[in-house]
Amino acid sequence: DGGITQSPKYLFRKEGQNVTLSCEQNLNHDAMYWYRQDPGQGLRLIYYSQIVNDFQKGDIAEGYSVSREKKESFPLTVTSAQKNPTAFYLCASSIDGTSGVIDTQYFGPGTRLTVL
Amino acid sequence: AQKVTQAQTEISVVEKEDVTLDCVYETRDTTYYLFWYKQPPSGELVFLIRRNSFDEQNEISGRYSWNFQKSTSSFNFTITASQVVDSAVYFCALRYGGATNKLIFGTGTLLAVQP
Repeated sequence: DGGITQSPKYLFRKEGQNVTLSCEQNLNHDAMYWYRQDPGQGLRLIYYSQIVNDFQKGDIAEGYSVSREKKESFPLTVTSAQKNPTAFYLCASSIDGTSGVIDTQYFGPGTRLTVL
Repeated sequence: AQKVTQAQTEISVVEKEDVTLDCVYETRDTTYYLFWYKQPPSGELVFLIRRNSFDEQNEISGRYSWNFQKSTSSFNFTITASQVVDSAVYFCALRYGGATNKLIFGTGTLLAVQP
C-alpha cells in the first residue's frame, strides 16, 4: 500500500542527546515536510524539501536539521540545541512542491518525542 | 500576514446532533487555498477538503459540508447527524508561500461526540 511511514512511534531521549526521526514515503512525491505539534497548538513547519538534495527552513528550524538524499526519505534530527524538543512530530508529502501546482499534503502517523 | 483562527477550542455534542466548526482566515493574497484536516486519537492527519479562493460554491460530501464565504473570510465545516467516530481534532489550514506549498494551521477544534 502507498503511504507515509514514520518511525519510531514513541521516542524517549535524554537531555543533551541528538535523535533522528525517520520519514519514508512510497507515493513518488517530490515534496516532503516536517511539522511540530504542541498541545493546544496547531502544526508549525520545521523544514521542507521540494526536491532531492534541496531543503528549506520553515518557521521554527532552530535546533533541527534534515537531509534529503533520496526522494522517498526525509529524516529529521532533533539536536541538543533544541531547547524544548518534547512534542509530536508529523511528516507530510505532496506530489510537486515546485511548479506552483496546488498540492494536497498527506501526513504520516507521527512520532511522539519525550525528553527525560 | 497569514493567519488562521479557530476560536472554538472544544465542542461537545450528543450523537445525531449537527455541529459546525468555525474557521476564519487572514491573507493579503488574492488567490489562496484553504484546507480541512481531521486528526483522530491515533494522531495522523486525514485530509478532508481543499477549496480555492475563486470557487465559493458550498461543498457537500455525505454528512460533511463546507461553507466558504470570502466576504467574512470564513470557511466553516458542518457535520450533520454526528457520530462517535467523528470525535477528533479538526484543523483548518491556509496555503501560503507563493510557488512553494506551505500551510499555516489554526490551533484546532477538539470535537467530542457523546453516545
